[in-house]
Order: sequence, then structure tokens, then C-alpha cells
Amino acid sequence: KNEVEQSPQNLTAQEGEFITINCSYSVGISALHWLQQHPGGGIVSLFMLSSGKKKHGRLIATINIQEKHSSLHITASHPRDSAVYICAVSSLYNFNKFYFGSGTKLNVKP
Amino acid sequence: NAGVTQTPKFQVLKTGQSMTLQCAQDMNHNSMYWYRQDPGMGLRLIYYSASEGTTDKGEVPNGYNVSRLNKREFSLRLESAAPSQTSVYFCASMTPPYEQYFGPGTRLTVT
Repeated sequence: KNEVEQSPQNLTAQEGEFITINCSYSVGISALHWLQQHPGGGIVSLFMLSSGKKKHGRLIATINIQEKHSSLHITASHPRDSAVYICAVSSLYNFNKFYFGSGTKLNVKP
Repeated sequence: NAGVTQTPKFQVLKTGQSMTLQCAQDMNHNSMYWYRQDPGMGLRLIYYSASEGTTDKGEVPNGYNVSRLNKREFSLRLESAAPSQTSVYFCASMTPPYEQYFGPGTRLTVT
């Protein structure tokens, strides 16, 4: 059983569309992380959140602790948003232990 | 700041050969990690080091050894490479409970 499940696995959108990627988890967490992996392979952290909502530019991340669910939204999507988005959670009992989803591959067409 | 650096970027090994992947960070982070990433699977933790002088097994440690040489450097050694170890390897660092910073990755092929 995967501790972190993401949906959808693949997503194709037209430029300008509003995009939502979902993440559900089944373990106790200290925080939830959204990561972005570009085709070149590098991984960067977009958000770390333990409650509520965070916004950076066109990206919004929300978390519902009771439902063990998080969403990543991209408003006014752009081809440069094309990447793999990875949801990860850090364990409540060991800050060094992370569980990762398998990723959502997003392709935004011009 | 260079962040997290890894060497080499690419490597091809024959079954049974050994090699060491190097990782260094210049952010004074306490914790360092080695992950592998395989198609269709999430990142999986091989080993981590919560502080200089300590290492702990992760989810998939078999066939690997690590050394936390000092606070900056954390190396991953494959003693006898197997085709099942073909993967992309990422090093990361962090001071808990904050966000992880990842290196650029090493693409390893074992034939």
C-alpha cells in the first residue's frame, strides 16, 4: 500500500486553464510538501505546509488535515509549468522520514 | 552558494563493479539523504544521516553503503553493482523540520 497517492498520473491542459492536482495520504504527518521536477530532472520544493493554504504567484496549495488530503492548483497555466509534480509527506514521528507520491506529469500546450 | 552538488552526473557500470557517488552541501544542513527514483515509482529513501557521524537505513538499503564524512559530505557506495540498481540517484539535505534541497541527480546504468 502506498502511503501517498496522487491523481491524476498524467494531465494535459491548454495554456490558460486552471489545473488541480490531488494528493491523499494515510500516515501521520508533520508537514506536506509539493515538489516540482522539470524534464531536465532537477527537483525543487514549491511548498511546505502543515495547515491551511499557501500561495506563490500562480500556484496555490491547500491541505485538509482531517481528511488527509491536499491539492495543488495552478491558475492561468503556461507551457513552462509543464513538469512532474510530486507530493511528499514528512512523518509525524521522524522528521527525516519522507513518503513520496509517484508524481503527476503535467503537459501544458500552447 | 552551490546548494547540493552531486558527482558524477552519468555513470555506466558493468555488473559486479563498484563505485561511489559523492554529494556535498554548503547550506550547513544537519540531515542528508540518498534517494533512488525509478520510472512509475516515487522517490525511495536508501539511507539518511540525521547528523555528522550517524547514518540510518531507509526503505531500500540493500546493496548500498554510506559514509557521512563531515557535515558537508555524504557518499553512497555500491560495492558490487547489479542491473536492479539502474536508477537515478538523488542526494538531498535539510535541517528538519524544514524543506529538502535536492542535488541534480546521477543517472546510473548497470549492464
